[in-house]
Amino acid sequence: EAEVAQSPRYKITEKSQAVAFWCDPISGHATLYWYRQILGQGPELLVQFQDESVVDDSQLPKDRFSAERLKGVDSTLKIQPAELGDSAMYLCASSLDRAWDTEAFFGQGTRLTVV
Amino acid sequence: RKEVEQDPGPFNVPEGATVAFNCTYSNSASQSFFWYRQDCRKEPKLLMSVYSSGNEDGRFTAQLNRASQYISLLIRDSKLSDSATYLCVVKRGNTPLVFGKGTRLSVIA
Repeated sequence: EAEVAQSPRYKITEKSQAVAFWCDPISGHATLYWYRQILGQGPELLVQFQDESVVDDSQLPKDRFSAERLKGVDSTLKIQPAELGDSAMYLCASSLDRAWDTEAFFGQGTRLTVV
Repeated sequence: RKEVEQDPGPFNVPEGATVAFNCTYSNSASQSFFWYRQDCRKEPKLLMSVYSSGNEDGRFTAQLNRASQYISLLIRDSKLSDSATYLCVVKRGNTPLVFGKGTRLSVIA
């Protein structure tokens, strides 16, 4: 069964350091999302891509976060510098397209701990 | 006010019990509705879509009331394996999925 791949699964970093997460969506999926989930909360959108273009990054803290999907396939999310409050699960999801009735599939996530 | 609000839980129920979760959404333009299930420290997975006419999948029944902007999930004959967090999710047009905080269910033997 096709799945969304994310790495690393776990990351511990010191505050003020840079950290990067990688996501490889299901083949053929044009839409890719990065969500952040703080313990006890639901996932919250950081950025949405359609192919290589950003279509929604309104909730991305752009002073420290950046995301790219250069060839419209895999994607990287970067945080620089990391802060203690960035500790969370970072989830990547993909779907065939952005249509209202299209199912999104999630990767296993990267659990980030900032110390 | 959050766009999607859910019962906070946790719900602790014995095996075999029937349990219901409620969810309200604030944007009347929302078009599609889902329940996702998330096991502890795992990713969310689609449990079922919610249709206007209501729909059932085995022991799970989902209902949608557009007039009241209200979604529900009913689980009958609860199993230990149903223990998880249930996330209410809405979507409109091309915008991303919007998640509620989730309701945690613990089914006890």
